[in-house]
Amino acid sequence: SQTIHQWPATLVQPVGSPLSLECTVEGTSNPNLYWYRQAAGRGLQLLFYSVGIGQISSEVPQNLSASRPQDRQFILSSKKLLLSDSSFYLCASVVGTGGPLPSYEQYFGPGTRLTVT
Amino acid sequence: GENVEQHPSTLSVQEGDSAVIKCTYSDSASNYFPWYKQELGKRPQLIIDIRSNVGEKKDQRIAVTLNKTAKHFSLHITETQPEDSAVYFCAATDSWGKFQFGAGTQVVVTP
Repeated sequence: SQTIHQWPATLVQPVGSPLSLECTVEGTSNPNLYWYRQAAGRGLQLLFYSVGIGQISSEVPQNLSASRPQDRQFILSSKKLLLSDSSFYLCASVVGTGGPLPSYEQYFGPGTRLTVT
Repeated sequence: GENVEQHPSTLSVQEGDSAVIKCTYSDSASNYFPWYKQELGKRPQLIIDIRSNVGEKKDQRIAVTLNKTAKHFSLHITETQPEDSAVYFCAATDSWGKFQFGAGTQVVVTP
């Protein structure tokens, strides 16, 4: 089974500072990778997804960007953080299950709690 | 693209009673419907799922039903316990494998 790592677990950053959150996946190859954001008491907002190295699709235009330099590494970045970026950031990995009815299973990393001050 | 609606947004039940959460989806090509449980401050955890070739699936006190014709699926929790208190999310995958989540249901089980 796959394991998803995220770091850091928590982060406090001042407004206007840069951001880099990292996600790595073990136990699978060529996963589809996702970045979600979850404000307190809210649902999951999809930010970016990637189907392969260097392939990034953005769901919501904002001051964040993502990169996938390796098959099992996904990075979320920002050049200048906003107060509204304070949130719980989740990385997720999706793998196909194959079989007579192909489908996909998604698992989440432990998350990074970001507070922008 | 896929659109998933989830109801209710909050659900209070007495311990021992049943809880039902309903979701509808829009893409008839969706073929996988997972349910996640998220406790406060934790990541969402997959608790049960159902594929489009099955109408019902049960795992101890939780069950999920799927009506492909009506494009809705439901989570049923029987004999609720305080540890069932959490936020529950439904999701559907479209033909690409991209997940669309419902807005979530806050379940509170009172002793």
